[in-house]
Amino acid sequence: GEEVAQTPKHLVRGEGQKAKLYCAPIKGHSYVFWYQQVLKNEFKFLISFQNENVFDETGMPKERFSAKCLPNSPCSLEIQATKLEDSAVYFCASSQSQVNTEAFFGQGTRLTVV
Amino acid sequence: DQQVKQNSPSLSVQEGRISILNCDYTNSMFDYFLWYKKYPAEGPTFLISISSIKDKNEDGRFTVFLNKSAKHLSLHIVPSQPGDSAVYFCAASDQTGANNLFFGTGTRLTVIP
Repeated sequence: GEEVAQTPKHLVRGEGQKAKLYCAPIKGHSYVFWYQQVLKNEFKFLISFQNENVFDETGMPKERFSAKCLPNSPCSLEIQATKLEDSAVYFCASSQSQVNTEAFFGQGTRLTVV
Repeated sequence: DQQVKQNSPSLSVQEGRISILNCDYTNSMFDYFLWYKKYPAEGPTFLISISSIKDKNEDGRFTVFLNKSAKHLSLHIVPSQPGDSAVYFCAASDQTGANNLFFGTGTRLTVIP
């Protein structure tokens, strides 16, 4: 597609439940990134993929967070046993190449853990 | 540790005047810088970028200036228009090739008609 598509737009989960977020990158883009915006204006890098391979996962909380980008499927970010502090807007972005190029962002998924 | 800083949380400018948004960074390995614009409930939209080999890049009403020695960049919007009212984020990436972006905390620009 011509834009990064994220679903769902909003997600509400009880504490301890699982949350799964989806992202379809722009067609032809090899790199996918996930960011978490917790406070209103702070973006935290979580993980990036080059096609289906994890490229950089230095930002991922390893215990409960996992992510995949499988061929012919939307990428996904899964949070097991959600906690209140996981409430945030999760943005997916994609880019054509590895360096010195802009990333295009989706509209985000707002996760609320209650 | 915030490696990219935008020290002005907000800025108000009269329509037609120049808007100047500032950004400082601490990591000397950063070599590519971007500005994104964000409206509420939307994702950031890419505006303009600059590589560390340049000190200026212009695109229509938007110009980005980079001062590497001061680790400072700025975005100039001239003339400012009411539709420019949004939150502006400065972002940077480094030479490791990972290309993940380090963001500032944003500056809310309000252009007054």
